[in-house]
Amino acid sequence: EPEVTQTPSHQVTQMGQEVILRCVPISNHLYFYWYRQILGQKVEFLVSFYNNEISEKSEIFDDQFSVERPDGSNFTLKIRSTKLEDSAMYFCASSDGGRETQYFGPGTRLLVL
Amino acid sequence: GNSVTQMEGPVTLSEEAFLTINCTYTATGYPSLFWYVQYPGEGLQLLLKATKADDKGSNKGFEATYRKETTSFHLEKGSVQVSDSAVYFCALRGQGGSEKLVFGKGMKLTVNP
Repeated sequence: EPEVTQTPSHQVTQMGQEVILRCVPISNHLYFYWYRQILGQKVEFLVSFYNNEISEKSEIFDDQFSVERPDGSNFTLKIRSTKLEDSAMYFCASSDGGRETQYFGPGTRLLVL
Repeated sequence: GNSVTQMEGPVTLSEEAFLTINCTYTATGYPSLFWYVQYPGEGLQLLLKATKADDKGSNKGFEATYRKETTSFHLEKGSVQVSDSAVYFCALRGQGGSEKLVFGKGMKLTVNP
């Protein structure tokens, strides 16, 4: 069964460093999403992406964040200058043209020191 | 804005026990409602969904009914198994053009043999 994959599974970085989290969505899907879950808190929507542009973003998704689909298979989330409070599990998701169901990857656990 | 409130747990049950996980929501109009499950080391998987009032979603012995009058979408299973041990998330997608999922905090369930 097709699945969303994410790399790395864990990443440790120093405050102020840039990180890029990578996702490979399901191959025929058109809509892509990033969510995050800070430890002990709810899963929160960050951004949705369609047709090579952001279609919706939350107030969390400020200028420090960016997303890109650099080729036909990858979808990336970049955090330009990480803060301690960016430590969280980051989930990528994708959906097909119907958009009814979002399929999630296993997540990347980011720790900012 | 839209929000989801669910039982947080953690909850420990014996095999074959009855399970109910309460979920209530706040949203305008008729959101779509979802239960996602996260098994250890894996991503969020859609367990079931309902898109209109009085719909019942079901999968793998789990059921939930969309109750508009009580703004609820409680998850039930008549007889849990050890393999049901996971974290369960209730979520909604608002009516209209927004694609973002709004999640509850998740509830960890452990089923003992």
